[in-house]
Amino acid sequence: GAVVSQHPSWVICKSGTSVKIECRSLDFQATTMFWYRQFPKQSLMLMATSNEGSKATYEQGVEKDKFLINHASLTLSTLTVTSAHPEDSSFYICSAIRQENQPQHFGDGTRLSIL
Amino acid sequence: AQSVAQPEDQVNVAEGNPLTVKCTYSVSGNPYLFWYVQYPNRGLQFLLKYITGDNLVKGSYGFEAEFNKSQTSFHLKKPSALVSDSALYFCAVRDDKIIFGKGTRLHILP
Repeated sequence: GAVVSQHPSWVICKSGTSVKIECRSLDFQATTMFWYRQFPKQSLMLMATSNEGSKATYEQGVEKDKFLINHASLTLSTLTVTSAHPEDSSFYICSAIRQENQPQHFGDGTRLSIL
Repeated sequence: AQSVAQPEDQVNVAEGNPLTVKCTYSVSGNPYLFWYVQYPNRGLQFLLKYITGDNLVKGSYGFEAEFNKSQTSFHLKKPSALVSDSALYFCAVRDDKIIFGKGTRLHILP
């Protein structure tokens, strides 16, 4: 149990395009979902925390208008990278938890390459 | 403020030998501690957690971790390493939010 599906796994697109990444908890209802960014050989950087039906809480330094997060249901959160540029190229990972202080269950990540 | 440190960027262990991946933490209250493993181009997989109870926590794939309150450590261990254990390992701590260590790359040498 506790499967999180992230889609797409790879995206290659032109600069200026907006890209949407979906994160779904397949067999449980997620009270909270998290979005991370990971640079090569580095740790995960928390971008934002989202709760169903409320606005996401962004970490310091993360542009809200650049990285739009929507948490429409207890099983789905989306991250939209708006007007993407090459510096937005990265590995984006989502995770979800059933309850506070329980382990996070991670998606397999989305590798985003902006040309 | 909470923090977590993984002092080793890389650990090399011969197959069949015991392995240890180090983690130390700092929190203001009671710690909630986790270990995760990441394989190339994948998300993180949960290995084990400590919240309360026994200091020795057993997890997936034969891994275990020992919570040491006096040393504020939560080292990951396995008695006999496998080549397939080669991966990137992250320690995480939750206080007001979850933060991850920088990761330790584990190489198991055949």
